[in-house]
Order: sequence, then structure tokens, then C-alpha cells
Amino acid sequence: AQRVTQPEKLLSVFKGAPVELKCNYSYSGSPELFWYVQYSRQRLQLLLRHISRESIKGFTADLNKGETSFHLKKPFAQEEDSAMYYCALFMGGTSYGKLTFGQGTILTVHP
Amino acid sequence: GAGVSQSPRYKVAKRGQDVALRCDPISGHVSLFWYQQALGQGPEFLTYFQNEAQLDKSGLPSDRFFAERPEGSVSTLKIQRTQQEDSAVYLCASSLAAGLGQPQHFGDGTRLSIL
Repeated sequence: AQRVTQPEKLLSVFKGAPVELKCNYSYSGSPELFWYVQYSRQRLQLLLRHISRESIKGFTADLNKGETSFHLKKPFAQEEDSAMYYCALFMGGTSYGKLTFGQGTILTVHP
Repeated sequence: GAGVSQSPRYKVAKRGQDVALRCDPISGHVSLFWYQQALGQGPEFLTYFQNEAQLDKSGLPSDRFFAERPEGSVSTLKIQRTQQEDSAVYLCASSLAAGLGQPQHFGDGTRLSIL
């Protein structure tokens, strides 16, 4: 069965420090992975998806099929990055686009 | 509208009561999803609609949960004979179409508390 694991419930860094939010997945098919973010008092929103190979707000994520990981990275964290981050797995085929989410990581960036 | 709208934002009910949660997706969005998010957990899939057709209800936890989207727009998630374990945030998401290329847009959710 598919599964997404985010091993860190909480992550704290200081402003300007590098940050890495870990995500590991378990899926027998070809995975498509996403990072969603929820800022305080806002709704869940898409941050980035691996097929786009894009950098959003300075964040990047590389899919590593060998390690079944999709870690989110940013070289210099900012206070406004403080939020809840969810890694999510999309399964194609007959799943119609439903997402399997990890438990989330609360990132706090201290001034 | 500007985005997915859910109502009510908060709902408190006594155990055993029935509740109905509403989702108004972005206009023109074919796909609609319901997720359940327990405290401290990530969202978990409940059910999926493509227009008015409910194509996947594999995530509904029991037959007390029922969802409909009769005209292919607004959707209602109904929970009968609520139990304390039903307490959670219920999220609705819509997308232009099914599949990878279309991102899901989430509403603010309904926070359901069962006393």
C-alpha cells in the first residue's frame, strides 16, 4: 500500500540557515510527488510538484527513486517560511488524482 | 468565487446527531474531493466526484458517511449518528479535471467537534 512518511513533526531553524524537510514514500508504481504548505490562518495550498522541476519561494525538491525520497530544501530560510508542510503522493491509473499525505512538519524559522 | 468555499467553518454536535457539511467548488471544476484531517495528522482521502458521479468512495470510514453532488457543482458530506471519533477537520478540494496536471484547490475546511 502507498504511504508517505515525514519523520520530523517539528523543525526549528534560524533565519538564513539552510532547511531540509524530509519526505519518504512507499509506492509500487511510478510516483508523482507534491509539497503542500499551510501558513497560519490560511488554507492548504500547493507549493511545488516534482514534475515541474521548479523553484517556488526559493524551495526545491528532487525526487530520488533509489532512496524513495522527496526532500524539500531551501538554502536560506526566512521567517515567512514558518508554516506546516505536507508531502503528498499522487497515484495515477484509476485513483483519479487522490492524494496520500504525510503527517506534516511544522517549520519554525526564528529571527 | 475566489476559491473553494466550505460551510459551516465550525460545527459542534452531540453524539448521535446527524450533520451536513457543504462544499462549493471553484466554478467549472469537474473534480471534487473530500478529505478528513484528524488532529495532528495529514488529510486522508474520503471520496471523489467527477461532475455528479461519485467514482471513488473507498475512503469513507463507515456507512454512516454519505456524500453527494447531485448537479455536479455543490457537494454535501453527511454524517449520520455521529461518534466522537468523527471529530476532525473536513476538507474539500476541487480541480479543473482529474489527473496529475491539474492541481487541487482546497477550502478552509469545516472543523467538526462531537461532544
